[in-house]
Amino acid sequence: DGGITQSPKYLFRKEGQNVTLSCEQNLNHDAMYWYRQDPGQGLRLIYYSQIVNDFQKGDIAEGYSVSREKKESFPLTVTSAQKNPTAFYLCASTQDNSNTIYFGEGSWLTVV
Amino acid sequence: KQEVTQIPAALSVPEGENLVLNCSFTDSAIYNLQWFRQDPGKGLTSLLLIQSSQREQTSGRLNASLDKSSGRSTLYIAASQPGDSATYLCAVPAYGGSQGNLIFGKGTKLSVKP
Repeated sequence: DGGITQSPKYLFRKEGQNVTLSCEQNLNHDAMYWYRQDPGQGLRLIYYSQIVNDFQKGDIAEGYSVSREKKESFPLTVTSAQKNPTAFYLCASTQDNSNTIYFGEGSWLTVV
Repeated sequence: KQEVTQIPAALSVPEGENLVLNCSFTDSAIYNLQWFRQDPGKGLTSLLLIQSSQREQTSGRLNASLDKSSGRSTLYIAASQPGDSATYLCAVPAYGGSQGNLIFGKGTKLSVKP
């Protein structure tokens, strides 16, 4: 089935570590997004990419980095510079000329 | 800057009731508004998308309305069922952003009691 796969579902990070969350889509969508969701809060945009080898910062990009080397993949690295990384991370994608957005199942990141 | 507010934050109703969830936005220059459903610990599923030229959209027991001039949208759920229990979020596009660059409300957590 077509969709978005995020991995791992649960991830624990020690202080000072960088961790990478994986996002893969087989929908052939051009644009991909990373959102962060804190408990009881709405989603906030971290980074997005509309085309391979190009990406733009969202509202809360500090402490995060991304790459878009392949159309189907958009990994998110949470760096040690992100002081409060514990959250639920959601990856999404859209196709050009369509308002429909598809989300992955999310990844929980906890700092230990 | 666009802000999206959802009221109430939580709602508990008995099965079978009709209910209304509210969403308001500060900047009426939107070209659409979407309603999503989120089950605990899961991703979001798009329920309804209303274009700015439309007044409402319907899907099964769900009906969403949009009043751009007043900056409001409502999601009406008819004959609620326990399976409707979830968090419902509304979102509008960020000005000048791409299609998936959305500004979300904090959601309304709905609990439907059998």
